[in-house]
Amino acid sequence: DQQVKQNSPSLSVQEGRISILNCDYTNSMFDYFLWYKKYPAEGPTFLISISSIKDKNEDGRFTVFLNKSAKHLSLHIVPSQPGDSAVYFCAAPLHAGTASKLTFGTGTRLQVTL
Amino acid sequence: DTEVTQTPKHLVMGMTNKKSLKCEQHMGHRAMYWYKQKAKKPPELMFVYSYEKLSINESVPSRFSPECPNSSLLNLHLHALQPEDSALYLCASSQGGIGREQYFGPGTRLTVT
Repeated sequence: DQQVKQNSPSLSVQEGRISILNCDYTNSMFDYFLWYKKYPAEGPTFLISISSIKDKNEDGRFTVFLNKSAKHLSLHIVPSQPGDSAVYFCAAPLHAGTASKLTFGTGTRLQVTL
Repeated sequence: DTEVTQTPKHLVMGMTNKKSLKCEQHMGHRAMYWYKQKAKKPPELMFVYSYEKLSINESVPSRFSPECPNSSLLNLHLHALQPEDSALYLCASSQGGIGREQYFGPGTRLTVT
């Protein structure tokens, strides 16, 4: 049962334009969401997060939007840069005692072209 | 400093070998994690340590044995692995409790021959 879904396996965007990566979830217990960026053969790097009490969080070129009624979130990158080319995962934690258990989406490979 | 370090970066081992992966963090995080990632797949949780105690084992085969010697260190002992265990092994840490962001190390690329 895939509780976090990223339905677009890949996305190609021109440098300078906006990249929009989408994520859907099914578990209503999720109250916090994170986006990670991953280069090949490296660990995921935390990018930005959003609490379910907000509908938007912005950090520099990265903005995450959350639509709770639709169980949908999106990551906007603007302007897109070649260095943004990577795989992007959305993830949602569930508390497991004093730790958190992350459920990842399947990832979207973003390619930013010149 | 949000650095998690992992050694070795690459490891090749035979099916009869015993080896260990190491992970270290100095962020004062009290939760540490092992993940396994196969190509073109998301990271898959294996183990969670919280305050140096194993709190989650995601039904991982016993040929993988985690150990948390102290709050900064996490080991994964490997024995009698199979070729299908070849993957990128990622360590992560988080504050635990209210801290939900997990910070990942660069991973160990394991090849089982």
